[in-house]
Amino acid sequence: DAEITQSPRHKITETGRQVTLACHQTWNHNNMFWYRQDLGHGLRLIHYSYGVQDTNKGEVSDGYSVSRSNTEDLPLTLESAASSQTSVYFCASSGSTDTQYFGPGTRLTVL
Amino acid sequence: AQSVAQPEDQVNVAEGNPLTVKCTYSVSGNPYLFWYVQYPNRGLQFLLKYITGDNLVKGSYGFEAEFNKSQTSFHLKKPSALVSDSALYFCAVRDNTDKLIFGTGTRLQVFP
Repeated sequence: DAEITQSPRHKITETGRQVTLACHQTWNHNNMFWYRQDLGHGLRLIHYSYGVQDTNKGEVSDGYSVSRSNTEDLPLTLESAASSQTSVYFCASSGSTDTQYFGPGTRLTVL
Repeated sequence: AQSVAQPEDQVNVAEGNPLTVKCTYSVSGNPYLFWYVQYPNRGLQFLLKYITGDNLVKGSYGFEAEFNKSQTSFHLKKPSALVSDSALYFCAVRDNTDKLIFGTGTRLQVFP
């Protein structure tokens, strides 16, 4: 069955370190998205991609970057982790039907 | 600007009773509306969506949602709640660049 996976599931890092969160989907979807989930804010869009070599900034993109070198993967990089980036991160993908399918999430703690 | 509002942070209902989780939206043009559910320590799962057609949309796990254009609402409903329905529910609307805008979520608590 097609799926979307994220790794690691849990990560603890220190302020100032670079961190990369992986997202891999086997749906063969063109569209991929990264969100962060914080209490009281719901899900907020960080970056998104509509295809290989395409990346776009979302609502809360500062301090984050993505790259899309193939259809299956959209890694999210925190250039210099800050305590404000402690959150749960979700990756999602969608095809032609607008329905987004979500990964299980990565819980990131920045100390 | 497109937006979604979920006016209730939490909804409590007894098992076996009907439940409603409210959602209102603001969007230019025809709305594409979605409901997702999130169980503890899990990602969001798609429940149902409205694109066009019948105002009553049926989805997974016995849930349905009623699209009301005049009230700009898309409330989630279920005739008989189960304890296992207890979760966090998100309403979302597609914006004019094909991204989803999510509400802040409503926690549903079903008591036995």
